[in-house]
Amino acid sequence: KQEVTQIPAALSVPEGENLVLNCSFTDSAIYNLQWFRQDPGKGLTSLLLIQSSQREQTSGRLNASLDKSSGRSTLYIAASQPGDSATYLCAVFTGGGNKLTFGTGTQLKVEL
Amino acid sequence: NAGVMQNPRHLVRRRGQEARLRCSPMKGHSHVYWYRQLPEEGLKFMVYLQKENIIDESGMPKERFSAEFPKEGPSILRIQQVVRGDSAAYFCASSPFEGGNEKLFFGSGTQLSVL
Repeated sequence: KQEVTQIPAALSVPEGENLVLNCSFTDSAIYNLQWFRQDPGKGLTSLLLIQSSQREQTSGRLNASLDKSSGRSTLYIAASQPGDSATYLCAVFTGGGNKLTFGTGTQLKVEL
Repeated sequence: NAGVMQNPRHLVRRRGQEARLRCSPMKGHSHVYWYRQLPEEGLKFMVYLQKENIIDESGMPKERFSAEFPKEGPSILRIQQVVRGDSAAYFCASSPFEGGNEKLFFGSGTQLSVL
């Protein structure tokens, strides 16, 4: 059974700091890994998707890496801003089950 | 192209009533997924549907819960005889492709509160 863990559960940083969010998964037989952002009371926004054959993806100030063999992914956020404050979710897609398995998220607060 | 539309945004039901949650996928998407987010927990998969077919319902409780995605109209998640433990945010996601090699697009969710 696939399990996804995210560390830390919560993080508070001053504006401008670079930060790393961590995600680990137990079953390396994944099709892809996605990072989502969830704002309070709202839905999920897909930030980055990394296929199992890829090592990393970049979008603006975000960079996500994937080490499939070790079951790890990191989301790097450069020059953090207060608008980055949200919960960040990592999810892996296991094709056999046709479903995403989510971690419990990292709640990020970027302070002025 | 409108995103995934879910309604209602908020639904309040008393114990024993029925809850019907609707999801209209993005245009051109024929694959729909339902997820549930309980308070203080992560999102959990419930069911995966294609038009007129349930492909995977392994995450859905065996009793009181059902889902459909008819040929015409939105996908419906139906919860009969709701209990307080059903209170949660229910999210729908859609994809144009089978297998999930593309991004899933999520709706804003329906917050179900059972009194």
